[in-house]
Amino acid sequence: EAGVAQSPRYKIIEKRQSVAFWCNPISGHATLYWYQQILGQGPKLLIQFQNNGVVDDSQLPKDRFSAERLKGVDSTLKIQPAKLEDSAVYLCASTPGARAGETQYFGPGTRLLVL
Amino acid sequence: SQKIEQNSEALNIQEGKTATLTCNYTNYSPAYLQWYRQDPGRGPVFLLLIRENEKEKRKERLKVTFDTTLKQSLFHITASQPADSATYLCALGAGNNRKLIWGLGTSLAVNP
Repeated sequence: EAGVAQSPRYKIIEKRQSVAFWCNPISGHATLYWYQQILGQGPKLLIQFQNNGVVDDSQLPKDRFSAERLKGVDSTLKIQPAKLEDSAVYLCASTPGARAGETQYFGPGTRLLVL
Repeated sequence: SQKIEQNSEALNIQEGKTATLTCNYTNYSPAYLQWYRQDPGRGPVFLLLIRENEKEKRKERLKVTFDTTLKQSLFHITASQPADSATYLCALGAGNNRKLIWGLGTSLAVNP
């Protein structure tokens, strides 16, 4: 079974530029999560999708971050414009359903550096 | 305020010993708690889940305890090996939607 795929693996941009990350979850997984993980910290949930609907985006900085999952499969996360404090690893995870306690399967992450 | 605390210092132990990692929380009533392992440059990998009505769970060399009175979970790795060196994250499932709230992680180094 293929795991969660993310691209690119690394990205370096200057502040005020825009950037987009892509995630393809495990086949058949209905729920998709985007997390931000700053160095030395645990993951922070940005947005959760179930199929193509948003379940939770309470911690997404909506003035600069946006995400979509149009066909309920893969997803993109965009930052526009980027700030220095956006430097982090952006992790995508998926679960088969939306039951509490389900194992989350993570991709390798995209490491973003904003200069 | 709500907090999740894991061992702030990195843990260094000798191969063959038992590693014990701590996860303490305040002002949460978690329905369950999960432990994940994260290696450098990779995403977290699920290890164990323990629910609020369970005291202990085991899987091979891993053991997790959950004390809702003390508001603490302990994660043990017995007969530790250098390959166990990684960061270990605890995550609480809490709130109405039981979403995961993550600790900062504890770095474990097992020395040969």
